[in-house]
Amino acid sequence: DAGVTQSPTHLIKTRGQQVTLRCSPKSGHDTVSWYQQALGQGPQFIFQYYEEEERQRGNFPDRFSGHQFPNYSSELNVNALLLGDSALYLCASSHPGTGQETQYFGPGTRLLVL
Amino acid sequence: DQQVKQNSPSLSVQEGRISILNCDYTNSMFDYFLWYKKYPAEGPTFLISISSIKDKNEDGRFTVFLNKSAKHLSLHIVPSQPGDSAVYFCAASDFETSYDKVIFGPGTSLSVIP
Repeated sequence: DAGVTQSPTHLIKTRGQQVTLRCSPKSGHDTVSWYQQALGQGPQFIFQYYEEEERQRGNFPDRFSGHQFPNYSSELNVNALLLGDSALYLCASSHPGTGQETQYFGPGTRLLVL
Repeated sequence: DQQVKQNSPSLSVQEGRISILNCDYTNSMFDYFLWYKKYPAEGPTFLISISSIKDKNEDGRFTVFLNKSAKHLSLHIVPSQPGDSAVYFCAASDFETSYDKVIFGPGTSLSVIP
């Protein structure tokens, strides 16, 4: 079992550009959540996807959008990048109704915006 | 406004002694609490949880205590081992209205000295 995988592992972009991050959930999981972890902070909930729809959303602007595909994999898109978007982006997968303790995290994608 | 606080950014403990990590929260609607452990270059992994209807939950060397009136919880690790050296995140959720939206604290970096 590969667990949760994310790509790419690292990424450098410049202000104003757009970025797409990808996540493949753990086998058997159909729910994907995205988190942003800034340096020295805990992960902050961006949004969650289930059945290809956004189910819940945190306090993030519309520049942050996502998508879930029929195979349950997911993408996080960030438009008009700002310096403050530099962070580790974590994807977590779970199966609804099984509790947050069964939420498995990927290793993250580290994004640097210059 | 930080709803989950971990006021100690770091903690050093001798191997074999007790590690106590503290966490405070402000949102009285939180009714489910989790601790995650994170090693460098890996995503957070679930460690232990507690529901607000309990005041203690134990799992091997790890015990979580919850004081609802003080809005405070703590994680005890006994005995501490060098492999416990990691960043520990306290997290909380409002089970009824935001089941899957987990709010993380900023983390405490634990170093267990051999």
